[in-house]
Amino acid sequence: AQTVTQSQPEMSVQEAETVTLSCTYDTSESDYYLFWYKQPPSRQMILVIRQEAYKQQNATENRFSVNFQKAAKSFSLKISDSQLGDAAMYFCAYRSTGNQFYFGTGTSLTVIP
Amino acid sequence: DAGITQSPRHKVTETGTPVTLRCHQTENHRYMYWYRQDPGHGLRLIHYSYGVKDTDKGEVSDGYSVSRSKTEDFLLTLESATSSQTSVYFCAIARDTSNQPQHFGDGTRLSIL
Repeated sequence: AQTVTQSQPEMSVQEAETVTLSCTYDTSESDYYLFWYKQPPSRQMILVIRQEAYKQQNATENRFSVNFQKAAKSFSLKISDSQLGDAAMYFCAYRSTGNQFYFGTGTSLTVIP
Repeated sequence: DAGITQSPRHKVTETGTPVTLRCHQTENHRYMYWYRQDPGHGLRLIHYSYGVKDTDKGEVSDGYSVSRSKTEDFLLTLESATSSQTSVYFCAIARDTSNQPQHFGDGTRLSIL
């Protein structure tokens, strides 16, 4: 089975600064998909960004971008120009070819005004 | 947002009672999932379904059963609730397209006293 590891239980960032959340995964598959979800205190799970493993180009969505290193099995999330509304729990997720999703344990991000 | 409704949103019950949580979707997605979310554990898969009457176990399936008699409904049952099943439960759906993420319901907070 695939495993997803988020080694930073908590992170903090100054408003307007940049922060990077790390995620590593273990798999023997060659084709898969990776996602970052945000969970604010409202408890909703919100998709932030996605990455196809076959694409070398890193995905970008406005202030959010990823650093995808396939050989290293690493998928970090960079948040630029951090805003107070970015404060949330962030989960890294892996979609297998068997259509199961595997989640990390999450990183709680605090944004300091 | 994807049309996913979980009911109830909150429930308090006593040890030993049966509990059924309902997940209803209006998206006609093939895959449906039940997760539980606990501090320090992220999201853990309980059961999932890949079609009507087609279900399979996840990593924490003991004490839970599921049924899917219609495409739109996926029920999670705790036959005899225990205090260890106190958690927040999320339903998710996904298309039969491998690059697509899951979409989540708003969660059910279940407390077993």
